[in-house]
Amino acid sequence: SQKIEQNSEALNIQEGKTATLTCNYTNYSPAYLQWYRQDPGRGPVFLLLIRENEKEKRKERLKVTFDTTLKQSLFHITASQPADSATYLCALDGNQGGKLIFGQGTELSVKP
Amino acid sequence: DAGVIQSPRHEVTEMGQEVTLRCKPISGHNSLFWYRQTMMRGLELLIYFNNNVPIDDSGMPEDRFSAKMPNASFSTLKIQPSEPRDSAVYFCASSSTGPGETQYFGPGTRLLVL
Repeated sequence: SQKIEQNSEALNIQEGKTATLTCNYTNYSPAYLQWYRQDPGRGPVFLLLIRENEKEKRKERLKVTFDTTLKQSLFHITASQPADSATYLCALDGNQGGKLIFGQGTELSVKP
Repeated sequence: DAGVIQSPRHEVTEMGQEVTLRCKPISGHNSLFWYRQTMMRGLELLIYFNNNVPIDDSGMPEDRFSAKMPNASFSTLKIQPSEPRDSAVYFCASSSTGPGETQYFGPGTRLLVL
């Protein structure tokens, strides 16, 4: 069956360190993958999109990799700050023109 | 732009009552999505529309749920009759049509069915 898995346990890191979040999937062949940030009591907010023919994408302190052989995406936040504390969701395209399938999300906590 | 607008923001109702959630997508977006989020199941797609036409409603849990999009600027999600297990946060999102397009989420409606 199709499955998207993210680190189920919360990730706690120290300010200034690099946070690495994982998104693994099975029985999908996504053309692209997106990462969203969700703060408590709010809707998810788009961060980055990476396509199947791209290995890596960067935006300021954020970096996403996409390995279609391993069926995995890694999401990195460098020089993390307490303001980066949130839940991060990965989403795969559902091969149906705009439909997204979301992972459960990983909660990140950055301590000062 | 005001972003995606949802109402009400909070709803508390009793089991058996009808609940109607409302969404106004971003102007110019022609795809609209309804999601439900719970701790146990995460963010689940219920139904999505393209140019006001329902494309995929396979995520709608059962016949008690229905959704409409009478025009490009308004959609409703109705639960009738509501049950305690429907308690969740319901999000509406909109996007431009096409694969890879970013989805813009509303603030959500927190529903509690007693």
